[in-house]
Amino acid sequence: GAGVSQSPSNKVTEKGKDVELRCDPISGHTALYWYRQSLGQGLEFLIYFQGNSAPDKSGLPSDRFSAERTGGSVSTLTIQRTQQEDSAVYLCASSLATGRANEKLFFGSGTQLSVL
Amino acid sequence: DAKTTQPPSMDCAEGRAANLPCNHSTISGNEYVYWYRQIHSQGPQYIIHGLKNNETNEMASLIITEDRKSSTLILPHATLRDTAVYYCIVLNDMRFGAGTRLTVKP
Repeated sequence: GAGVSQSPSNKVTEKGKDVELRCDPISGHTALYWYRQSLGQGLEFLIYFQGNSAPDKSGLPSDRFSAERTGGSVSTLTIQRTQQEDSAVYLCASSLATGRANEKLFFGSGTQLSVL
Repeated sequence: DAKTTQPPSMDCAEGRAANLPCNHSTISGNEYVYWYRQIHSQGPQYIIHGLKNNETNEMASLIITEDRKSSTLILPHATLRDTAVYYCIVLNDMRFGAGTRLTVKP
């Protein structure tokens, strides 16, 4: 596609419910990143995929958070038993990641998650 | 934690140059410095990157010190639309710090 696509753009859920956030990277981009941004805060790194593998998942805040990537393309971030502190904008980015000298990140517009 | 440190906020007069500093004292020899900016409620946007030489594009200039421990992003003629949070990050560590909130004032 022309850019990184994230869905849904907005998600309102009740505390305790599970949510799935989707990221469709730019075609051909092998690297994919998830970030979280709480209101008025900077970007918090969550997880990085190279292809379908996640060499760095150290930013996931708890075991309620998981992510997968299939076919080297679409990624899903799942949050189980959501809590109010999970409310934030979840941003996805992708890059070509060729030889790690061309890691220009292209960001999606994010998913605004609100946990009531 | 991010490998970069930036001042939390800066002001600049419209039409003047905005110089945004970034410290990356633990950068290694093959790591690039990347700059992004985030305008309210949008995803971050790439600005420029460099390794050791100074770089310039249509958006900005990047000055990297000889020891590569710091860099400065220069917006030569800031406009009101340049008001944003500016992030400096180091390749191999895609962790963004808090960035610098630049406010361009009329």
